[in-house]
Amino acid sequence: NAGVTQTPKFQVLKTGQSMTLQCAQDMNHEYMSWYRQDPGMGLRLIHYSVGAGITDQGEVPNGYNVSRSTTEDFPLRLLSAAPSQTSVYFCASAERGARGEQFFGPGTRLTVL
Amino acid sequence: GENVEQHPSTLSVQEGDSAVIKCTYSDSASNYFPWYKQELGKRPQLIIDIRSNVGEKKDQRIAVTLNKTAKHFSLHITETQPEDSAVYFCAATPYNQGGKLIFGQGTELSVKP
Repeated sequence: NAGVTQTPKFQVLKTGQSMTLQCAQDMNHEYMSWYRQDPGMGLRLIHYSVGAGITDQGEVPNGYNVSRSTTEDFPLRLLSAAPSQTSVYFCASAERGARGEQFFGPGTRLTVL
Repeated sequence: GENVEQHPSTLSVQEGDSAVIKCTYSDSASNYFPWYKQELGKRPQLIIDIRSNVGEKKDQRIAVTLNKTAKHFSLHITETQPEDSAVYFCAATPYNQGGKLIFGQGTELSVKP
């Protein structure tokens, strides 16, 4: 049972490039979320999903796109990377009907030059 | 939407002393309040949580209190140890938005031997 996995661990992009951060979980959790973490600002919710085919915006969705075609996978797409998107990105999952306890992936450190 | 404020941003205590971190939230619909600990370079990990129908919960040296009327909740760590040094985050969410945690800004706790 791998839990929540994320790839890549590190990524450097140039301004304007696009890329997809991968997230997968093997716990059959219905809820999945993406957060970004910046110094002094905690974890901010980007997008979340309550099940396959259903996504919604969080606190800071601009510049990011998500889709949820399967229960297991929840990729995050950066459409045109900007230096302001330099951050650590965490994916998390939670079980439906549970109290909301989320399990986090190991994170992806992204630098946009 | 929900907004969570956390104080203090940094906290330094001597080993064996108690530490208290406070959070306030804005959305009266929120009814699940977890606390996460994040060590340097690691993912956030749940340490304790509380639901809105409970005023206090304790787990060994860690306790959380909730005042729904005032919309604030606190983390109490007694007999602190150097391994308690980390960043602590509070969060809030309504039940039916499982996975949609809104986090406070974090508190960096330093326990000096």
